[in-house]
Amino acid sequence: AQKVTQAQTEISVVEKEDVTLDCVYETRDTTYYLFWYKQPPSGELVFLIRRNSFDEQNEISGRYSWNFQKSTSSFNFTITASQVVDSAVYFCALASGGSYIPTFGRGTSLIVHP
Amino acid sequence: DTGVSQDPRHKITKRGQNVTFRCDPISEHNRLYWYRQTLGQGPEFLTYFQNEAQLEKSRLLSDRFSAERPKGSFSTLEIQRTEQGDSAMYLCASSSNSGRVFTDTQYFGPGTRLTVL
Repeated sequence: AQKVTQAQTEISVVEKEDVTLDCVYETRDTTYYLFWYKQPPSGELVFLIRRNSFDEQNEISGRYSWNFQKSTSSFNFTITASQVVDSAVYFCALASGGSYIPTFGRGTSLIVHP
Repeated sequence: DTGVSQDPRHKITKRGQNVTFRCDPISEHNRLYWYRQTLGQGPEFLTYFQNEAQLEKSRLLSDRFSAERPKGSFSTLEIQRTEQGDSAMYLCASSSNSGRVFTDTQYFGPGTRLTVL
């Protein structure tokens, strides 16, 4: 069985603050994939990143960065210098178990105030 | 815009009625996925097509649900005898045939929000 926990239901910050969204996953498989998606108010999920279990390198893309730590089964997402346009629900997802059908977390709603 | 499109965007129906949703994937994508998302939850996988073949179905897809992709292009999702528990956002996604299925980059449509009264 696979499971994704996003313990933070909602985070509220003021523009230009840094914010970290937590994601903890569970799987018995050694080969798996982790994802982050953004869902703005329009409803369309937008792919942000994919990581496989064999690549623990952290990644930076502009103001976004991801910290993958197998030792703690976590794949956390940090937004540096947040902007109002970052306001959205962010989902972490895990694909493993042979079929690789993804399991999504419940999402973290990020509200960035001007 | 050549993204994934879904129609209708909103559907209100009475319990017991049948509804059908349509998804048009990105034209060159041969993988198509349907998900369901209820309020406050992440998307849940329903079914997957490779071209016109339906290769995976979730246990969530009861007998009242049927999906088709007749020519390997657009897809339809039909719910018969709708129940209030079917109220949700139905999301469609597509991806190209690159890499392991489900792990390639999926492009999502805006969803169809179903309300069953």
